[in-house]
Amino acid sequence: SAVISQKPSRDICQRGTSLTIQCQVDSQVTMMFWYRQQPGQSLTLIATANQGSEATYESGFVIDKFPISRPNLTFSTLTVSNMSPEDSSIYLCSVGSSGTSGRLTDTQYFGPGTRLTVL
Amino acid sequence: AQTVTQSQPEMSVQEAETVTLSCTYDTSESDYYLFWYKQPPSRQMILVIRQEAYKQQNATENRFSVNFQKAAKSFSLKISDSQLGDAAMYFCAYRASGTYKYIFGTGTRLKVLA
Repeated sequence: SAVISQKPSRDICQRGTSLTIQCQVDSQVTMMFWYRQQPGQSLTLIATANQGSEATYESGFVIDKFPISRPNLTFSTLTVSNMSPEDSSIYLCSVGSSGTSGRLTDTQYFGPGTRLTVL
Repeated sequence: AQTVTQSQPEMSVQEAETVTLSCTYDTSESDYYLFWYKQPPSRQMILVIRQEAYKQQNATENRFSVNFQKAAKSFSLKISDSQLGDAAMYFCAYRASGTYKYIFGTGTRLKVLA
């Protein structure tokens, strides 16, 4: 499995500001994902980070609020923009590999998460 | 739409005993994967075990095993010889073959009593 790191591990931010979370993988992976885990709840997929093109967002999530970059096969960032207390969550990066068909062929592995608190 | 249900918000087990966590799911797909992930207080999601739907044999990983009942759409996790380090939140997850999206259950918090 890949070793995944996230920065920062936690942060406390003021309402209206933005925070960029970084995800670094120790090997090249074809697929990277961003999840949100609100307090006491399960994981919800925000978007798929695509290398060299715009991210693919799930229903309820938009690029203006959660811009994502993926400049190469080992790195991605998620920005939480114009934050409000409702954005207080754990944000997790995950990675997986796809075969020649482009389909996810392997299990997703998760980073340690970033705990965000918005005041 | 696919759904994953974990009906036990919290479970407790004595150290060295066995515990079973329940998970049911709903799907119209025939080819899919099922997973159990563990999330300790450190927040790191750790894969415990996975099952391919086309395999009839239940997956096992050391002290962890599953009871996969495809017709009943049930996927329970059995932890044998429970250890204090097993205390965590356990999430059941589903992924249809050919897709990347995981559907997670709401989780079961497992407490291990010394």
